[in-house]
Amino acid sequence: AQSVTQLGSHVSVSEGALVLLRCNYSSSVPPYLFWYVQYPNQGLQLLLKYTTGATLVKGINGFEAEFKKSETSFHLTKPSAHMSDAAEYFCAVRKGSGGSYIPTFGRGTSLIVHP
Amino acid sequence: DTGVSQNPRHKITKRGQNVTFRCDPISEHNRLYWYRQTLGQGPEFLTYFQNEAQLEKSRLLSDRFSAERPKGSFSTLEIQRTEQGDSAMYLCASSLDPQSSYEQYFGPGTRLTVT
Repeated sequence: AQSVTQLGSHVSVSEGALVLLRCNYSSSVPPYLFWYVQYPNQGLQLLLKYTTGATLVKGINGFEAEFKKSETSFHLTKPSAHMSDAAEYFCAVRKGSGGSYIPTFGRGTSLIVHP
Repeated sequence: DTGVSQNPRHKITKRGQNVTFRCDPISEHNRLYWYRQTLGQGPEFLTYFQNEAQLEKSRLLSDRFSAERPKGSFSTLEIQRTEQGDSAMYLCASSLDPQSSYEQYFGPGTRLTVT
């Protein structure tokens, strides 16, 4: 079985400040890890993914995440928040091989950006 | 490539009525997924198709729910005898062969309100 825990249902930052959204996972096999963003009344858009190889993954809109196997974490960061980053962010995990490849999503973290 | 589309975007229905939603995936994608998302939660898996075959259904998918993908292209999700607890956003996603790193692409969702 696999699961995702996103620490903090809401994160509030000032524009220009560092963004850090936390994600911890559990998986019995090597995982694939994803971060998605969802704007109001829209579907989910992939920000970045980790499959194999380099553990620091860069995504769109200046976001990046680092896979730390020892900590079972995949935290999302951005050096400088922009007002347009305000949205809901979801971490997801799925098996890298074997099984149905259905991802399990976390409950989401709402990012609030203050001017 | 126009992305994943879903219709209608919003549906308001009275308890006990039947509703049907449609999803048109990205044309070359052979996998199609349905998810349900309630307020403050991440997407929860309902069912998925590989081409026209429905390969897995979640225990969340009660007998009142049925999904089809008759020609391996678009899919429909029907809810019979709707209940207030069915109020949610219903998301559709599509992907290529998941045995690689191919991620899911999400549609904008259909928001169902049962009164």
